[in-house]
Amino acid sequence: GAVVSQHPSRVICKSGTSVKIECRSLDFQATTMFWYRQFPKQSLMLMATSNEGSKATYEQGVEKDKFLINHASLTLSTLTVTSAHPEDSSFYICSAPTSGGTGEQFFGPGTRLTVL
Amino acid sequence: QQQVKQSPQSLIVQKGGISIINCAYENTAFDYFPWYQQFPGKGPALLIAIRPDVSEKKEGRFTISFNKSAKQFSLHIMDSQPGDSATYFCAASRDQGAQKLVFGQGTRLTINP
Repeated sequence: GAVVSQHPSRVICKSGTSVKIECRSLDFQATTMFWYRQFPKQSLMLMATSNEGSKATYEQGVEKDKFLINHASLTLSTLTVTSAHPEDSSFYICSAPTSGGTGEQFFGPGTRLTVL
Repeated sequence: QQQVKQSPQSLIVQKGGISIINCAYENTAFDYFPWYQQFPGKGPALLIAIRPDVSEKKEGRFTISFNKSAKQFSLHIMDSQPGDSATYFCAASRDQGAQKLVFGQGTRLTINP
């Protein structure tokens, strides 16, 4: 299947700092990528849809000024958590659907964010 | 209408047994129904997916049964193995998966040796 990578896999930061997470589609182009957040023992919650060349679309209740998304190219989307606080500690996962009508979405390995 | 309801929340099955996880949806616009397997600390991995034009799809030990009129679909894992112990999520999407996925609540499956 297609490969989606994320970097970093784990990050620990101090409260008030900003953290950038990268999501890359390694062997296919993705005009759309999705960002999810997952708290322990819970399901994935969609945060936003990242669109190459245009603004991201955020789900209700997600602060767009806090979670900045940039889809700079057909293989890269970034999520920046600005002024992170302990309640932002979570597992952040991106996904990308392949093109060509198969409809399969492939997920990255996730990024564990811990805010102290 | 966007919800996908998944049950049970947790499931314990003996090695060699059949694991069955069920999901129900409301939005008839959904046309793509994947199942994902997730191990602790890892991203979800696509297991198997089905579209509403078929009632069943089998890949190895994994089978999806789909009931369009009841708006339900289920995952069957035959000959369950300890390595199958993981959390399983059903999901649904529009436009054959190109749109955002709506996830079920997840089922933590434990296969006892």
